[in-house]
Amino acid sequence: KAGVTQTPRYLIKTRGQQVTLSCSPISGHRSVSWYQQTPGQGLQFLFEYFSETQRNKGNFPGRFSGRQFSNSRSEMNVSTLELGDSALYLCASSVYRGTQETQYFGPGTRLLVL
Amino acid sequence: AQSVTQLGSHVSVSEGALVLLRCNYSSSVPPYLFWYVQYPNQGLQLLLKYTTGATLVKGINGFEAEFKKSETSFHLTKPSAHMSDAAEYFCAVTWVGNEKLTFGTGTRLTIIP
Repeated sequence: KAGVTQTPRYLIKTRGQQVTLSCSPISGHRSVSWYQQTPGQGLQFLFEYFSETQRNKGNFPGRFSGRQFSNSRSEMNVSTLELGDSALYLCASSVYRGTQETQYFGPGTRLLVL
Repeated sequence: AQSVTQLGSHVSVSEGALVLLRCNYSSSVPPYLFWYVQYPNQGLQLLLKYTTGATLVKGINGFEAEFKKSETSFHLTKPSAHMSDAAEYFCAVTWVGNEKLTFGTGTRLTIIP
């Protein structure tokens, strides 16, 4: 079974631009979560989508948004990029068995904002 | 609120020596605890997890962790470090009824030849 895939793997943007990152979850997984990883802050939760609905949201400004499509693929958008948005963005898809959740992470998209 | 603290952002051990990475959690309800490893330029991999039952949990690559409720700890250990263990390690916590993981800031493990 294919794992979580993220595209692109690397991206360079300049301040003020916007960017869209894509995540394809494992087949059959309906939950997709996004995380930002930076050296200073570690891993921080951005948001989670389940069946095309945002179910949880972390403490990030409105410049960060996302959506999920009917095939469970998810996109994350960051508008008006700032230097501090340079980070590794990780996507994870989840499967639930009762109350037990198992997350599978993708390789990440490394974003550099100049 | 639930949180997790990893003591030591950088840890160096000699090849063949004991690896000990520390993780303490704060949770008002019984936690589920995880250790993830991230190799350079790769995504996160689940090393091991504790949910219920046996408090000593064995994971992949020879790692294990012990849930100690009295100490609110979930330290990760490996008896003998290998060069391939060099990576960043993240401790994470969640709990029944919650969907999301709360991560620690990570510990970068360096193995000295």
